[in-house]
Amino acid sequence: QKEVEQDPGPLSVPEGAIVSLNCTYSNSAFQYFMWYRQYSRKGPELLMYTYSSGNKEDGRFTAQVDKSSKYISLFIRDSQPSDSATYLCASLSGGYNKLIFGAGTRLAVHP
Amino acid sequence: DSGVTQTPKHLITATGQRVTLRCSPRSGDLSVYWYQQSLDQGLQFLIQYYNGEERAKGNILERFSAQQFPDLHSELNLSSLELGDSALYFCASSVATNSYNEQFFGPGTRLTVL
Repeated sequence: QKEVEQDPGPLSVPEGAIVSLNCTYSNSAFQYFMWYRQYSRKGPELLMYTYSSGNKEDGRFTAQVDKSSKYISLFIRDSQPSDSATYLCASLSGGYNKLIFGAGTRLAVHP
Repeated sequence: DSGVTQTPKHLITATGQRVTLRCSPRSGDLSVYWYQQSLDQGLQFLIQYYNGEERAKGNILERFSAQQFPDLHSELNLSSLELGDSALYFCASSVATNSYNEQFFGPGTRLTVL
């Protein structure tokens, strides 16, 4: 079993839809949780990170962590074609060194 | 642009060969990380260096090695290459390693082994 599980999709939604991306993790010691966005042929870029359980909002993006169920979510409101990318959830392992990534979910937002 | 640079962008080589991938971290970052991204394994952590010293190791094969030089740039050496080594190799850098610091990823090197 992978430490961070993520449905690879693909997910296709119309412009303006609310998108929900989800991951689960198995290691209860994980404390930091990240969402990265990766455009085709580019490196991942950090969208948001959260520490422990709770919600964090940044513009149209909301990250949510439920440590009791080991569930990580990213919500995108009013999705735009420019949001079309692969979204990777991740957690920090081994202190502050190693990022453990999910498989990534490919999202397509069509006009 | 993350400020992390990687060269070359693309590399095509044959099985059994040896290649070197280069990474320059963001100005001021002391920590360098290497990741491999393949279709079947996803994005996986390989190794981390901090200020010239190895700090953490992940799923790095014995045929692979890395180092970080006094000017903080890093090189990832891949030897006895196999078809399965074809992947995107990313370098990331961060300021420090004693607390959470964002890892900034470079554009990657696409390695194709024929």
